[in-house]
Amino acid sequence: GNSVTQMEGPVTLSEEAFLTINCTYTATGYPSLFWYVQYPGEGLQLLLKATKADDKGSNKGFEATYRKETTSFHLEKGSVQVSDSAVYFCALNMDFQKLVFGTGTRLLVSP
Amino acid sequence: DAGVIQSPRHEVTEMGQEVTLRCKPISGHDYLFWYRQTMMRGLELLIYFNNNVPIDDSGMPEDRFSAKMPNASFSTLKIQPSEPRDSAVYFCASSLGTLSSYEQYFGPGTRLTVT
Repeated sequence: GNSVTQMEGPVTLSEEAFLTINCTYTATGYPSLFWYVQYPGEGLQLLLKATKADDKGSNKGFEATYRKETTSFHLEKGSVQVSDSAVYFCALNMDFQKLVFGTGTRLLVSP
Repeated sequence: DAGVIQSPRHEVTEMGQEVTLRCKPISGHDYLFWYRQTMMRGLELLIYFNNNVPIDDSGMPEDRFSAKMPNASFSTLKIQPSEPRDSAVYFCASSLGTLSSYEQYFGPGTRLTVT
């Protein structure tokens, strides 16, 4: 079936460090891919998305590129801030409107 | 835009009691989703509706769980009887079903504690 695998957390970084959160997927076709972010005590919010191979999604300094050859959609940011501390979820969509989420990766950024 | 509204935000109940969680989706959205989030199992899709009709309830854990959507602006998730293992954060999300967008908008969640 369709699935998403994310790196285990927590990821602990100092402010201004470079961030990578790995995400790989398994799907029978060509899914759309998403990163959602969950801040403490809140629901999930869409961070960025990519709907076809080689697309790059970007938002708020975060980027992820849809790599069909490696079935990956790694999240990156050049310089993290304390306010980026949250849980990040990778997700895919194959079945119209039904998202499959990864387990989430907690990011902790210290000043 | 008010976003997805859920109530209550916190619910503490005793085992065996009935629990009803409520959700108001974003106006104009035609899809509504119920999720459960726990440390052990992560984020699980329980059920989703399209135009008030349940489309996929394969994630509903057992018969103690039921969900309804009597109209486009309201949905409930009911647990009867509740058990301690139902303790979790329950999220409602809604989306507009266009082919160009699969973005789901999440509510703030209801934290349920069953003692």
